[in-house]
Parts: sequence; structure tokens; C-alpha cells
Amino acid sequence: DQQVKQNSPSLSVQEGRISILNCDYTNSMFDYFLWYKKYPAEGPTFLISISSIKDKNEDGRFTVFLNKSAKHLSLHIVPSQPGDSAVYFCAASGISNFGNEKLTFGTGTRLTIIP
Amino acid sequence: DAGVIQSPRHEVTEMGQEVTLRCKPISGHNSLFWYRQTMMRGLELLIYFNNNVPIDDSGMPEDRFSAKMPNASFSTLKIQPSEPRDSAVYFCASSLSDPRDPQYFGPGTRLTVL
Repeated sequence: DQQVKQNSPSLSVQEGRISILNCDYTNSMFDYFLWYKKYPAEGPTFLISISSIKDKNEDGRFTVFLNKSAKHLSLHIVPSQPGDSAVYFCAASGISNFGNEKLTFGTGTRLTIIP
Repeated sequence: DAGVIQSPRHEVTEMGQEVTLRCKPISGHNSLFWYRQTMMRGLELLIYFNNNVPIDDSGMPEDRFSAKMPNASFSTLKIQPSEPRDSAVYFCASSLSDPRDPQYFGPGTRLTVL
């Protein structure tokens, strides 16, 4: 049962335009969300996060929006640059059955920026 | 800092063989995580250690998988016996201590079981 879903396996965007990556979750107990970026042959790297008490968090060209009622979050990259071409993973944090916080990742979206 | 170090980077083995993956977390990090990445399921948490103690191993697929952290600077993930369906990329990650601290991932080990 995939609790964090990234329904678009891939996305292509023209350089300079806005890239919008989407993520949906099913568990209403998730209260902290993160985006990770992954280049080939490397591990994922942390990009940006948002707490459920906020609906927006911005860091330079990257903005994450959270819609709790829809259980949906999105990552906006503007303007998109060739170096942004990577796989982006959405992750949600919640308390596991063992009482510890646990990250649940989506399956990723491959973003390709077209020069 | 060298970041999280994993070895080997690639492993090809035959079904039934034992496989051991190794991880050195970032110095000073108290939490260590083992993940498995597959196309179908994305990144799945296998096991989480805090201060060298296993906290959550609910993601370990079955008894063929085991993980240890004998000290703060080393962890192993062992598969015995390995099966073709274990083929995946295995990542180790570490973080400071607060569960909400960002996790820093190693480059991964690509395992192929023939």
C-alpha cells in the first residue's frame, strides 16, 4: 500500500520555465514533508521541507506548497535550469508502530530540463 | 567530511550466496538508516538505528535479511541466502539525532543476484 504517491514518473520542462512536481499522501498522521533530489549513481540529497503547520516554504528557486485538506504537496522550481534534471522524491514523516518517526518515500519523478 | 561511505558500489552474486553491504555514517551522526530502492516501490526503509541500537526493523523483508551496528562508525546489512528478487540499489543514510534532521545518503550499492 503506497502511502506516498508520485503519479507522474517523468516530466519534461523547457529551461527557464516553471517545473511543478506533485505528490499525494493517504496517511493523515503525516505532519512533516520533505523533497529529495537524486542524480544518477548518487544518493538522494535533501532539498526542502515543510511542516504541516505551514502551507508554503520557500528556498531560493524552490518552493513547496502543502494542501492538508487535499493531502497534496507540490514542489515548484522557477526558473528551471539544466542542472535541475534529476529524480525527485517526495517523503512524509510520521510516527511508526514502534513509536519512532519514520520517513515514507514516494517512487520518484524524473525531471528533464530541455535547453 | 567524506559523507556517508558505502561499499561495495556494485555487487554481482549468484542466488544462494551471502551478501554483505557496508556503511560508514558521517561522524557525529547518531541515527543510521538502511533503504532499498526499486522501480516499483521507490525507497523503502529497511531498518533504523539510533545510538547503535535497532529501533525499527519492520521494513526488513524476511529473516534472510539482518543488520548490525557494532559501533557508531560502522554498520552492515547482510542477505543470506540471496535471491534474484533482492536485486536493487541499497542506500545507507545517517542523520544527527532529531528524527526531523535531514538524512544524508551514501552513493548506494547496486546489487544484482543472478
